[in-house]
Amino acid sequence: AQTVTQSQPEMSVQEAETVTLSCTYDTSESDYYLFWYKQPPSRQMILVIRQEAYKQQNATENRFSVNFQKAAKSFSLKISDSQLGDAAMYFCAYRSPNTGNQFYFGTGTSLTVIP
Amino acid sequence: ETGVTQSPTHLIKTRGQQVTLRCSSQSGHNTVSWYQQALGQGPQFIFQYYREEENGRGNFPPRFSGLQFPNYSSELNVNALELDDSALYLCASSFPSTYNEQFFGPGTRLTVL
Repeated sequence: AQTVTQSQPEMSVQEAETVTLSCTYDTSESDYYLFWYKQPPSRQMILVIRQEAYKQQNATENRFSVNFQKAAKSFSLKISDSQLGDAAMYFCAYRSPNTGNQFYFGTGTSLTVIP
Repeated sequence: ETGVTQSPTHLIKTRGQQVTLRCSSQSGHNTVSWYQQALGQGPQFIFQYYREEENGRGNFPPRFSGLQFPNYSSELNVNALELDDSALYLCASSFPSTYNEQFFGPGTRLTVL
């Protein structure tokens, strides 16, 4: 089974600064999808950004971007110009096209934004 | 467009009881997945339903069962509750053509005493 590892249980960043959250995964598949989800205290998981493994270009969504290193099986999330509303748990997730829509999640990184 | 909704929000049960959690999928989505999220952990896949049939299952015992209805809403049933079943239960809906993204509901917090 695929495994997703987030080695940073907690991170903090000053407001307006940049922070990078790490994620690595283990797979023998060549085609798959990667996601970053945000879970605020309200508990509802919200999609932040996604990356298709066949695309070499790193995904970007406004202040959020990823550094996708397929050979290293690494998928980090960079948050630029951090805002107070970015404070949340962030989960990295892997989806295999071979297992339907099953997502494999990491254990999460709790991000604190310091005013 | 209506998002994914779940009921109830919170639930308290005692060990050995049975519980049913409900999920209404986002409009147009025909696939529903259920996840268990223990405190401080990432969500763990329980099972998925596609067009009313179970379409994949994680490492959960048979006392975790589900249903999907013609309107694509879904239920998660857990029998013989154990203390370790205390968790946030998340429902997520999806449609195969939408970049494989799953849309999550707000979850049901189950406490087993």
